[in-house]
Amino acid sequence: EAQLAQSGPEVKKPGESLKISCQASGYGFTNYWIAWVRQMPGKDLEWIGIISPGDSDITYSPPFQGQVIVSADRSLNTAYLHWNSLKESDSAIYYCARFRGGRVASGTYPVAFYGLDVWGQGTTVTVS
Amino acid sequence: EIVLTQSPGTLSLTPGQRVTLSCRASQSVSVAHLAWYQQKPGQAPRLIIYGGTSRATGIPDRFSGSGSETDFALSISRLEPEDFAVYYCQYCGSLAPWTFGRGTKLEIK
Repeated sequence: EAQLAQSGPEVKKPGESLKISCQASGYGFTNYWIAWVRQMPGKDLEWIGIISPGDSDITYSPPFQGQVIVSADRSLNTAYLHWNSLKESDSAIYYCARFRGGRVASGTYPVAFYGLDVWGQGTTVTVS
Repeated sequence: EIVLTQSPGTLSLTPGQRVTLSCRASQSVSVAHLAWYQQKPGQAPRLIIYGGTSRATGIPDRFSGSGSETDFALSISRLEPEDFAVYYCQYCGSLAPWTFGRGTKLEIK
């Protein structure tokens, strides 16, 4: 069974750095992309960015460009979301999710062919 | 940017009722790039519909998706107690950054 296991809750101070993880199991890690999604307390879902672990193709949502770094380590079947300097407004639940996708043309956003079909349990980040 | 507007924000219904949730896109999108998710309190979202009309694995057939261009819908033919949750539509195509709607909450009347 395909699963994404995310790292545990974090409590940080503004200005600190943080890297949270999303470890895949039960499927070929490089056969699917990973998306990161933010949900602020009581709020909606926001797409942060996506990575293809197979070739490290990365796309960010414009509001998050320059604010976070998405990466992946194929040897560990793990994707990461990293902040160099946290703000209080980064307090949220962060989800990773996998999808089968690809780019239909250079310069376009990747497409999820079958939606985000497996989700991690979420990592709660509190910055205060 | 493609904006997805979901309506209504909240619906109060009773089990057994039929419901249709709306998701309107600010510009025409391919139905292939429209997905629906269900989220219950304290849980991660769960994929319900992908490609606008295809049910995800394990989703009962009381759920159905429809629509084209700018108007999409998720219907639940007979509400079960476990269906009361928040439902989000999502654009996941190539034209613009991916976006989610703001969700419709189904609550028990």
